[in-house]
Amino acid sequence: DAKTTQPPSMDCAEGRAANLPCNHSTISGNEYVYWYRQIHSQGPQYIIHGLKNNETNEMASLIITEDRKSSTLILPHATLRDTAVYYCIVRPHGGATNKLIFGTGTLLAVQP
Amino acid sequence: NAGVTQTPKFRVLKTGQSMTLLCAQDMNHEYMYWYRQDPGMGLRLIHYSVGEGTTAKGEVPDGYNVSRLKKQNFLLGLESAAPSQTSVYFCASRGTGSTGELFFGEGSRLTVL
Repeated sequence: DAKTTQPPSMDCAEGRAANLPCNHSTISGNEYVYWYRQIHSQGPQYIIHGLKNNETNEMASLIITEDRKSSTLILPHATLRDTAVYYCIVRPHGGATNKLIFGTGTLLAVQP
Repeated sequence: NAGVTQTPKFRVLKTGQSMTLLCAQDMNHEYMYWYRQDPGMGLRLIHYSVGEGTTAKGEVPDGYNVSRLKKQNFLLGLESAAPSQTSVYFCASRGTGSTGELFFGEGSRLTVL
């Protein structure tokens, strides 16, 4: 599975957009980009995933560069409840193993 | 709809004792996983299962055993607990549908003295 690189921490003002970057320069053609977040002491929560097109859902938007070597998770209007560790993961969509390997993620601190 | 339920939520063991963590999911998911999380680190995969009766090793399988006798349950066992196994353990499951979304339990905090 491809490795990902994320900044260890970021700050964002409440109400502003939070843009979380992720580098995945060794991503393969069949690997998707997944984003999860973990609010303190809770189990991780799925946010969004994509292959090569930009994706949007009720939680966030995912922007993937044309060469697919990096992506950005966008929380359009960050709130204090968005303070969490955000994990970027790349893996094939199907396959027998189906395991997700988590890195150390980015700690997003939303400031009032 | 309970989703993924882990029991117990907290446990304190002495070195050398054994215990089993139970993960139960009510979503009819094929795939189940056990992760551990230590301070300042991300989640590390211990073992996983792609179906009833099957298990496989993850990144850090040593010192743990698992069983998947029923589709809805995935058990994680520690035969002889060590202080290095003090951690928070998370169970997760996913179906064979297209989103690939993992559903996580709330975690089990284990302390080995």
